[in-house]
Amino acid sequence: GAGVSQSPSNKVTEKGKDVELRCDPISGHTALYWYRQSLGQGLEFLIYFQGNSAPDKSGLPSDRFSAERTGGSVSTLTIQRTQQEDSAVYLCASSLGGQRGAGELFFGEGSRLTVL
Amino acid sequence: SQQGEEDPQALSIQEGENATMNCSYKTSINNLQWYRQNSGRGLVHLILIRSNEREKHSGRLRVTLDTSKKSSSLLITASRAADTASYFCATVSGAGSYQLTFGKGTKLSVIP
Repeated sequence: GAGVSQSPSNKVTEKGKDVELRCDPISGHTALYWYRQSLGQGLEFLIYFQGNSAPDKSGLPSDRFSAERTGGSVSTLTIQRTQQEDSAVYLCASSLGGQRGAGELFFGEGSRLTVL
Repeated sequence: SQQGEEDPQALSIQEGENATMNCSYKTSINNLQWYRQNSGRGLVHLILIRSNEREKHSGRLRVTLDTSKKSSSLLITASRAADTASYFCATVSGAGSYQLTFGKGTKLSVIP
């Protein structure tokens, strides 16, 4: 597709359940990011992947959060044993990457997670 | 942790007026970027300014960067109702760094 695609767009789950959020980046983009945005707040960095390098997981809030990127393309963010404070919009973004560091990010529309 | 802090948190202006938003940051940067977010949508990149640049223009947007004061400003001229959105600055700290750190944003309302 032309842009970053995220699914599902909305997810309502019960406390304690596991959820998976998917991100399809723009074809050819080597860098992929996950951010979390709570209501009315800024973006909280979670993790990014750059090419074949080890991902930067420094923003993951707990060991209940994990992410993988298969074949350098699609990424899945998994939240285990969800808690109510995990309720937020999870935004994925991709960029061209390269040696010069972070440039323009292209964002998906986000996955809104509600934990009851 | 927040690197960029936008000011003001909210701004309401009449259509046709200019809107100015400011961003302050704490550590040295490689580049600074501005994004717009319409309600319930993803972010859209507006402009990127590198640490060795002082000013950039894109259409009705003008961005300035003062590295000595660790601050940037975004000016939207002749605002339109469609400019109503939240505006975020994001900083990239080091050369070759891939981590963008976002501020909490300025919520702009343009009244027709």
